[in-house]
Amino acid sequence: AQSVTQLGSHVSVSEGALVLLRCNYSSSVPPYLFWYVQYPNQGLQLLLKYTSAATLVKGINGFEAEFKKSETSFHLTKPSAHMSDAAEYFCAVSEGNYQLIWGAGTKLIIKP
Amino acid sequence: GAGVSQSPRYKVAKRGQDVALRCDPISGHVSLFWYQQALGQGPEFLTYFQNEAQLDKSGLPSDRFFAERPEGSVSTLKIQRTQQEDSAVYLCASSLGMGSYEQYFGPGTRLTVT
Repeated sequence: AQSVTQLGSHVSVSEGALVLLRCNYSSSVPPYLFWYVQYPNQGLQLLLKYTSAATLVKGINGFEAEFKKSETSFHLTKPSAHMSDAAEYFCAVSEGNYQLIWGAGTKLIIKP
Repeated sequence: GAGVSQSPRYKVAKRGQDVALRCDPISGHVSLFWYQQALGQGPEFLTYFQNEAQLDKSGLPSDRFFAERPEGSVSTLKIQRTQQEDSAVYLCASSLGMGSYEQYFGPGTRLTVT
């Protein structure tokens, strides 16, 4: 069965510092992987997706994620945090059907 | 182009009332999803439509919840005899379908049952 684990319900970084949000998944077939961002009182916005092409995926707002099959990971990074990055981030996995399995989310806090 | 829209954005209902939540998906999107999101949690799947066909309703928590998409476009999620535990944000998402798996979300409807 598919599952997604996001380590850390809250991550706090200083403005300008590296952002690293962790996502590990389990899947019985090659997965499709997604990161979404949710700002307060808004819906979820797609940041980036992995669909079996390049393992390093670039998304919007300077974020990127690397698919590592051996580690079953899809961690999200950004070299330099900005105050506007404060939001909740969700990792999701699909086994190539309509179902998205979601992680519990990580709230990113940016310290000035 | 226009994204997914949902109405109302906020709904307060007294316990026992019926509510109807509307979703307008992106034009041309075949797949439509409803999710329930409790505070501080990820989305929980409720139901899935492909065009007008409801192919999966396994996530609907009780028979008080009903969803329809009669013409394969706009969808309505109806909750009958609302209970306090129904208080949540209800998210609608649409997807192109046909091998495209990313979902595009609306802003959600925040339902508060008092």
